[in-house]
Amino acid sequence: DAGVIQSPRHEVTEMGQEVTLRCKPISGHNSLFWYRQTMMRGLELLIYFNNNVPIDDSGMPEDRFSAKMPNASFSTLKIQPSEPRDSAVYFCASSLQGAPGNTIYFGEGSWLTVV
Amino acid sequence: TQLLEQSPQFLSIQEGENLTVYCNSSSVFSSLQWYRQEPGEGPVLLVTVVTGGEVKKLKRLTFQFGDARKDSSLHITAAQPGDTGLYLCAGGDGNKLVFGAGTILRVKS
Repeated sequence: DAGVIQSPRHEVTEMGQEVTLRCKPISGHNSLFWYRQTMMRGLELLIYFNNNVPIDDSGMPEDRFSAKMPNASFSTLKIQPSEPRDSAVYFCASSLQGAPGNTIYFGEGSWLTVV
Repeated sequence: TQLLEQSPQFLSIQEGENLTVYCNSSSVFSSLQWYRQEPGEGPVLLVTVVTGGEVKKLKRLTFQFGDARKDSSLHITAAQPGDTGLYLCAGGDGNKLVFGAGTILRVKS
């Protein structure tokens, strides 16, 4: 079974450029999460969607970050313009709301370096 | 904001030793999960506990949820090099998970 699929796996970009990270959740899951992981701050929830609708974006650091989920099988996280402090691993995760314990399944992450 | 504190932050032990990792909060969680993350990969779920006082065993790993559902512990018996990784606890907050900062475990052979 395919898990959560993220792309790109690695991206190096220059400060000021636009970055788009992509995610395909597990088929049938109705909740999608974007997390950011850094050594300093650990794993932080940026935003989550339920049935393609953004429910909580309080973790989005600032207006440079935006996320969309146009359909149940695709989501994007965009950073424009990017800054060096955005360098981190960005994880997409999905779950089936109402499943016992709300088990969340993570993708392998997108490693972003902004220079 | 609900916060989860994990201790210790780092643990380096020899193969065969036992260890315990703790996860504490001042908030009550509907469920608590433990994840293990290896370098270059995403976190992978180990166990979910939902009932206060619950104890679950997964081979050499024993997980316990505090009676008040505010804390949890993970005990590993006879650690092996393959147990090396980042161990994260996460508390259920509605449909979200709040993660602790993690414990980095290194088991030396």
